[in-house]
Amino acid sequence: AQSVSQHNHHVILSEAASLELGCNYSYGGTVNLFWYVQYPGQHLQLLLKYFSGDPLVKGIKGFEAEFIKSKFSFNLRKPSVQWSDTAEYFCAVNAGYGGATNKLIFGTGTLLAVQP
Amino acid sequence: DGGITQSPKYLFRKEGQNVTLSCEQNLNHDAMYWYRQDPGQGLRLIYYSQIVNDFQKGDIAEGYSVSREKKESFPLTVTSAQKNPTAFYLCASRSGLNTEAFFGQGTRLTVV
Repeated sequence: AQSVSQHNHHVILSEAASLELGCNYSYGGTVNLFWYVQYPGQHLQLLLKYFSGDPLVKGIKGFEAEFIKSKFSFNLRKPSVQWSDTAEYFCAVNAGYGGATNKLIFGTGTLLAVQP
Repeated sequence: DGGITQSPKYLFRKEGQNVTLSCEQNLNHDAMYWYRQDPGQGLRLIYYSQIVNDFQKGDIAEGYSVSREKKESFPLTVTSAQKNPTAFYLCASRSGLNTEAFFGQGTRLTVV
């Protein structure tokens, strides 16, 4: 069965600091990976996704993530955070072909607070 | 407007009563999902449906039931067997496994 781990539960940064949020998954086959963000009082929205190809994917608002298959990781990065990045971030995975397709599993989330 | 509608936004029920949460989408998506969001636990999958008249248990299905009689609708019933039903419930849909999931605004259920 697939699962997702996010090890950073709370992160506090100052504006302009660099961000890296960890995400590890467990599943032996092909996976599709996602990062979602939930701003205070808003719906979850997609930041970026990886299905295949270039393991470094770029998303909205300057975010990027790198898929490292050997480490089962999909860490989210941003070189310089802004106060408006304060939100909760969720990593998600679903098995690709041959697995329990369409079963979309989320991690426990990381609450990011950016101080001005 | 296209999207996912969950109703109501807030719901109160007495302990021991079943309650049904509504989720409707007009995005023509095949797959629909129900999650429960609790502080510090992220989104936990309750049930999901890949197509009409089909659904699978997620990781925390006990005490919940669903139906998928129409493509647009995926109601969730929280039964009296659910030991800790007070939570924020999110519905989502997407067109396929390589696509983005879209979320509703959520229903906050309080059982007293």
